[in-house]
Amino acid sequence: GDSVTQMEGPVTLSEEAFLTINCTYTATGYPSLFWYVQYPGEGLQLLLKATKADDKGSNKGFEATYRKETTSFHLEKGSVQVSDSAVYFCALRAGGATNKLIFGTGTLLAVQP
Amino acid sequence: NAGVTQTPKFQVLKTGQSMTLQCAQDMNHNSMYWYRQDPGMGLRLIYYSASEGTTDKGEVPNGYNVSRLNKREFSLRLESAAPSQTSVYFCASSDSSGRGGVNEQFFGPGTRLTVL
Repeated sequence: GDSVTQMEGPVTLSEEAFLTINCTYTATGYPSLFWYVQYPGEGLQLLLKATKADDKGSNKGFEATYRKETTSFHLEKGSVQVSDSAVYFCALRAGGATNKLIFGTGTLLAVQP
Repeated sequence: NAGVTQTPKFQVLKTGQSMTLQCAQDMNHNSMYWYRQDPGMGLRLIYYSASEGTTDKGEVPNGYNVSRLNKREFSLRLESAAPSQTSVYFCASSDSSGRGGVNEQFFGPGTRLTVL
């Protein structure tokens, strides 16, 4: 079945460091791909998305490119801030009308001043 | 707009007790979802409702029941709670208008449930 694999955390970085969180997927067809972010004590929020191969999603300085050839959707940010500390989830939406999402296990990012 | 609201925020139950988690959305969305979040396992879908009047099982439905009371409300019931149901529960909703595009899911703040 469809699945999402993302790198285990925690990832600890200093402020202004470069961030990469790896995400790969297994799916039939052409899924849509998402990154969600969960700040402490809150629900998940959509960070960015991409709906077809070679699409680049971007928001708040974060970017991810839908790579069909490597079945990947890695999250990157050039310069992280303390306020980026959160749990990041990669997810896919398979085809069909139900809009169900399949999530990865989440990666905790801790940014130190 | 409040978005997606959930009650209660926290709950402690004893094994065998029952309870209902409430969820409501004010975005006029057709679809609603219940997830559980456990350490190291991400979010797993328990049940979903593609539209008012329909419900379907997700990945981990055992031990749960749901009711789509109306378009706004989607409740999750634990009839006889077990320690394995200790988790954080999230409700979500999305538009499923079928007009194309990809419909974002909006999440509530979660309910932290402990079963002793």
